[in-house]
Amino acid sequence: DQQVKQNSPSLSVQEGRISILNCDYTNSMFDYFLWYKKYPAEGPTFLISISSIKDKNEDGRFTVFLNKSAKHLSLHIVPSQPGDSAVYFCAASESSSGSRLTFGEGTQLTVNP
Amino acid sequence: DAGVIQSPRHEVTEMGQEVTLRCKPISGHNSLFWYRQTMMRGLELLIYFNNNVPIDDSGMPEDRFSAKMPNASFSTLKIQPSEPRDSAVYFCASREGQHNSPLHFGNGTRLTVT
Repeated sequence: DQQVKQNSPSLSVQEGRISILNCDYTNSMFDYFLWYKKYPAEGPTFLISISSIKDKNEDGRFTVFLNKSAKHLSLHIVPSQPGDSAVYFCAASESSSGSRLTFGEGTQLTVNP
Repeated sequence: DAGVIQSPRHEVTEMGQEVTLRCKPISGHNSLFWYRQTMMRGLELLIYFNNNVPIDDSGMPEDRFSAKMPNASFSTLKIQPSEPRDSAVYFCASREGQHNSPLHFGNGTRLTVT
């Protein structure tokens, strides 16, 4: 039972354009969402998060949007840079379950110069 | 800040052998997590500790897997006996505080069981 799904295994964009990574979830109890970025041979690193009381959170070139009714969130990167090429994981948690964080399968983003 | 330190980085072993993966969390972090990454299942939570106490081990696949955290600065994940299907990258992560604090991951141990 995959509660967090990233349906696109890969995404390729041109440098300077917008990258949009999508994530869907099924558990309506999830109330906190995070995006992690992972380079090869390294562990995932935290990128940006959003609480369910918000619908948008922005940090520099990165913006996360949350649509609770659709159980959907997305990560926008603009402008995209070649250094953004990595695997991006969406993750979610619910307060009542404490620390358990459920990850999606990941999306490989390639930004072409 | 040295980050979360995992050892070894790579482990190749034969089926049936015991494997021990090690993790040193970030100093001051009170929660520690073991994750496994495979192509088929992505990142799966195996077990996590809070203040050195195992809280949720429902992700541990079988009795062959065990994890310990004898003190705040060290944890082990042991597989005995190992099987080829255990081949994966195993990540350790730590966190300070509670629910809304992000996890900090180590660089993982790539385990290959032949």
